[in-house]
Amino acid sequence: KAGVTQTPRYLIKTRGQQVTLSCSPISGHRSVSWYQQTPGQGLQFLFEYFSETQRNKGNFPGRFSGRQFSNSRSEMNVSTLELGDSALYLCASSLTEGASSYEQYFGPGTRLTVT
Amino acid sequence: GDSVTQMEGPVTLSEEAFLTINCTYTATGYPSLFWYVQYPGEGLQLLLKATKADDKGSNKGFEATYRKETTSFHLEKGSVQVSDSAVYFCALSAKGYQKVTFGTGTKLQVIP
Repeated sequence: KAGVTQTPRYLIKTRGQQVTLSCSPISGHRSVSWYQQTPGQGLQFLFEYFSETQRNKGNFPGRFSGRQFSNSRSEMNVSTLELGDSALYLCASSLTEGASSYEQYFGPGTRLTVT
Repeated sequence: GDSVTQMEGPVTLSEEAFLTINCTYTATGYPSLFWYVQYPGEGLQLLLKATKADDKGSNKGFEATYRKETTSFHLEKGSVQVSDSAVYFCALSAKGYQKVTFGTGTKLQVIP
């Protein structure tokens, strides 16, 4: 089975711009979660989608949003970029039905640099 | 709420040394426990897991035992290699909740 894929892998944007990141989960996985990883804050949960619905949300401003499509692929959008948004954005997918535990499978991440 | 506490890093060891990375947790009920590993420039990979008390998860020479009495899930390896250099994250998922809580990560550096 193919793993979780994220595109693009690297991105450079300017302050004030907006950006869209994409994530394709493992085939059969319907839950997709997003995380922001920075040296200072570590791994922070952004949100989780299941069957096109946001099921959990972390403590991030409204500039961070996401969505999930009927094929379980997910996108996250960050508007009005700030320098502090520079980070590695990780996507993870999970098998929920029939799973004995909720383990997540991560993609390689998108490295976003805001200048 | 749920939380995971890991020992501060970085941890520097010589090749073939014994490794222990401490992890304790706070959660309601009986969570599932995980160790993830992140190699430089990559995403996180699931290393091992345990879903109930006294379970031992193991993979690639790493082991961790679910200790409910001490709410701990310490990661151990008998003989580390340079290729084990990475950041290790302890995590939990409370039963019935599709959400994972991660620790802050512990960086391991193994020198030849």
